[in-house]
Amino acid sequence: AQSVAQPEDQVNVAEGNPLTVKCTYSVSGNPYLFWYVQYPNRGLQFLLKYITGDNLVKGSYGFEAEFNKSQTSFHLKKPSALVSDSALYFCAVRDIDGGYNKLIFGAGTRLAVHP
Amino acid sequence: DAGVIQSPRHEVTEMGQEVTLRCKPISGHDYLFWYRQTMMRGLELLIYFNNNVPIDDSGMPEDRFSAKMPNASFSTLKIQPSEPRDSAVYFCASRNRAPNTGELFFGEGSRLTVL
Repeated sequence: AQSVAQPEDQVNVAEGNPLTVKCTYSVSGNPYLFWYVQYPNRGLQFLLKYITGDNLVKGSYGFEAEFNKSQTSFHLKKPSALVSDSALYFCAVRDIDGGYNKLIFGAGTRLAVHP
Repeated sequence: DAGVIQSPRHEVTEMGQEVTLRCKPISGHDYLFWYRQTMMRGLELLIYFNNNVPIDDSGMPEDRFSAKMPNASFSTLKIQPSEPRDSAVYFCASRNRAPNTGELFFGEGSRLTVL
């Protein structure tokens, strides 16, 4: 079965510092991986995805993610954090067993960026 | 594009009452998903539709929950009778059939509180 794990419940970063939000995956076959962000009292918003190709994927709001097949990881990164980046971040993988139509989400990591 | 539209945004009801949540997907999207978000269980897929037909309802918690999609622009999630443990944020999401990369567009959610 496909799954993703987000090992950190919360990540604290000072504004201006680089940030990393971790995600590891377990899939049979080639993974389709996603990052979503959820601001307070809002729905999830798509940030970026990895389907194939370049291991470094660039997305919205200056975020990027690095696909690492040997470490089965897909960590979300940003070179310089903003206070406005504070939100809940979800990693997700497309469910191959479920006919490719479902996304399986991690538990989420709360990012807190301090001024 | 107006995005995925959900109503009501907030619902407070008493145990035993019927609750109906509504969703209007993005025009032209072939897939519609209902998710439930709680602190304890995270984001859970309840059911999804393809071209108005329910495809997988394995995530529906019990018979008290039912979902319909009478046409391409409208879906409902009904809980009858409601219980306090149903308190959660319910999200509707939709996506296109092609390209089938899995990216979902979420609504703002319906926050349900059952007293």
